[in-house]
Amino acid sequence: DAKTTQPPSMDCAEGRAANLPCNHSTISGNEYVYWYRQIHSQGPQYIIHGLKNNETNEMASLIITEDRKSSTLILPHATLRDTAVYYCIVKRMDSNYQLIWGAGTKLIIKP
Amino acid sequence: DTGVSQDPRHKITKRGQNVTFRCDPISEHNRLYWYRQTLGQGPEFLTYFQNEAQLEKSRLLSDRFSAERPKGSFSTLEIQRTEQGDSAMYLCASSLVEGSSPLHFGNGTRLTVT
Repeated sequence: DAKTTQPPSMDCAEGRAANLPCNHSTISGNEYVYWYRQIHSQGPQYIIHGLKNNETNEMASLIITEDRKSSTLILPHATLRDTAVYYCIVKRMDSNYQLIWGAGTKLIIKP
Repeated sequence: DTGVSQDPRHKITKRGQNVTFRCDPISEHNRLYWYRQTLGQGPEFLTYFQNEAQLEKSRLLSDRFSAERPKGSFSTLEIQRTEQGDSAMYLCASSLVEGSSPLHFGNGTRLTVT
C-alpha cells in the first residue's frame, strides 16, 4: 500500500474552513484514500473516503487531485469539537483487512 | 447505540496475569479486526476475521496473543502472561465485506500492566 505524508500539526479558527492536506504520490489505480480522526481517548472515527472523484458527506468534503497524488480534507465550518488527530490512509480495494496508519495531523481549532 | 462496543474500557493487571477483552461489532458487519495503539502512534493491525474464520493472524505480536470469534458475532482477544510492554490501547473495528467498505472502530480497551 502507498504511503502518505501529512503535516504534523495545523491550527484553524473556529467557524472557518479547515483544509487538511495529504500527499500520496505513489498511489496506484486501485487504491482508495480514507480519512479518519481520533479525539483523545476515543477510537478512530471514519470521516470519508474516495477513489478519484471528489466526495462530500455530512461531516466533510474530500478533494482528490486529478493525478491522485494528493488530496485535501475540508471541514467547512470548524468547531472546537473538531480538535483531533486526522489520519489520511491509502488502501488497496482488495486489502480491506489492513490499514497502514501514519502519525496524522494534529488539528487544533482555536476560539 | 449500534456502533462497535468494547469491554472493558480500562484494565489494570499485574505482570504475568492473563487478560481477555471483548468486542461486539456492528450487527450486519461480517468482518472484525483487532488493532493495537500505543501513545502517539497510529493503530497497528493485529488480526481479522470474516464471520468466524480468522483470515489473517501473522501480525499478532507473539504467541501470547490469541483471538477468537466462535459464532461469527462477538470476538475476544486474549493476552497470556502479560508484560509491561503490552500496555496499550486495544481497538476493535468492524466492516462489511465489500472491498472499499470503511472500518468502524470502537473506543478501545486501555490496558495497563504493572
